Amino acid sequence: DVKVTQSSRYLVKRTGEKVFLECVQDMDHENMFWYRQDPGLGLRLIYFSYDVKMKEKGDIPEGYSVSREKKERFSLILESASTNQTSMYLCASSLPFGANEKLFFGSGTQLSVL
Amino acid sequence: GQNIDQPTEMTATEGAIVQINCTYQTSGFNGLFWYQQHAGEAPTFLSYNVLDGLEEKGRFSSFLSRSKGYSYLLLKELQMKDSASYLCAVDTGRRALTFGSGTRLQVQP
Repeated sequence: DVKVTQSSRYLVKRTGEKVFLECVQDMDHENMFWYRQDPGLGLRLIYFSYDVKMKEKGDIPEGYSVSREKKERFSLILESASTNQTSMYLCASSLPFGANEKLFFGSGTQLSVL
Repeated sequence: GQNIDQPTEMTATEGAIVQINCTYQTSGFNGLFWYQQHAGEAPTFLSYNVLDGLEEKGRFSSFLSRSKGYSYLLLKELQMKDSASYLCAVDTGRRALTFGSGTRLQVQP
């Protein structure tokens, strides 16, 4: 089974702090994704990566950056955390998109910015 | 832009059948996915449709009409454990999925 591991289940940070969310997958997947999930808004794509050192902006990249130095690890960085970034963050991975390339999700990180 | 619509909440009775609809208007279409997400857990894959028609997998079936921009997830013989959110997602061709806001299903005894 594919395992996608997010480093923290719950995180509390202060406004203005730099925050790192880490995600590791163990199935040699090319694609990795960061989504945030908010009530009533569903999952919204922040950034994704289809190869090492490659990244593409999703629908809501403002205030975020990412790093993919190794194939198995995809980090989401909040340069200066703000209260509107309080959310559930979900990491996912998949094989290259062709037909029926389903996403495998981590358990999520609930981030609270105070 | 991309628009994927689902009902926010539905309630159904144990043992019954429920249909969860999803309509989409997207710039591209390479397939439609359904995911299940129990409260506090990660979403898990349920089904994938790329051609028109019905795909059946046990108690769950998913239907797609590309010409109408419409899909539904059909759950039969509902069980209490089916209480969860059901997420519709479209592969628009940009190598990432775009999700609807999800439908929260409550199964009552």
